[in-house]
Amino acid sequence: GQNIDQPTEMTATEGAIVQINCTYQTSGFNGLFWYQQHAGEAPTFLSYNVLDGLEEKGRFSSFLSRSKGYSYLLLKELQMKDSASYLCAVRPFQKLVFGTGTRLLVSP
Amino acid sequence: ETGVTQTPRHLVMGMTNKKSLKCEQHLGHNAMYWYKQSAKKPLELMFVYNFKEQTENNSVPSRFSPECPNSSHLFLHLHTLQPEDSALYLCASSQDSASGGVGSGETQYFGPGTRLLVL
Repeated sequence: GQNIDQPTEMTATEGAIVQINCTYQTSGFNGLFWYQQHAGEAPTFLSYNVLDGLEEKGRFSSFLSRSKGYSYLLLKELQMKDSASYLCAVRPFQKLVFGTGTRLLVSP
Repeated sequence: ETGVTQTPRHLVMGMTNKKSLKCEQHLGHNAMYWYKQSAKKPLELMFVYNFKEQTENNSVPSRFSPECPNSSHLFLHLHTLQPEDSALYLCASSQDSASGGVGSGETQYFGPGTRLLVL
C-alpha cells in the first residue's frame, strides 16, 4: 500500500524558520513533490526531489532521504503570506499519492 | 495563474440534477487529471487521461463520468450525486504521465477547483 504522513498543523512566527516533515512508505519511488495550497485556491508547485539531498529555491528548501523514506520542506524568513497548507506527494510510478497536508499558521 | 482554468468555481446541485464541470489547460500538456479533495482527507485521484485516452479510473462510482475531447479540455459529468460527494474537485495537467520515468517534467499543475455542494 501507499502511506504518506505529515503533521496536521504547525504554527510559527513571522521571520522565523519552520521545517515540515513528510515520511512515506510506497511500493515504488519516482520523485517527491511539495505543493502549497492557500485556502480555496489551487495547489501550486513548490519543489521536486528525486535524488537524496537538498534542493534550494529562494526562501524554500526541500530535502530527501530515500533510504529513510523521509523528506522535509524548510521555509525561512517566514512571511504572513506563507500561511497555507503544504502538501507532500510521492510518485510511486506514474500517479501522485498525496498526504493530508500540513496547515501552517504564521503569526505576527 | 497556473495556466489551468476550471468552471464553474462554485456549484450547488440537488441529487437528481445533472451538471458538468469543465477544465481547460493552456500549457501544451498532454495528460489531464481529476482529483477530489474532501476536508481532512488527502487529494484523491479520480481519473487520468493521456493523449485523450483514459489511462486510470480509480474505482470511481459511475455517477461521475469523465470526457476528454482533446488534450486541452477535460469534463466531469455529474448525475444523481450523493451529499457525500460534496467536495472540491480539482483538475490538473502535466506532460505525458505514461512514461513513468524520472524527471520533473511530469509535474502536475492544478486549476483553482470547483467547490461542489450536493443537497
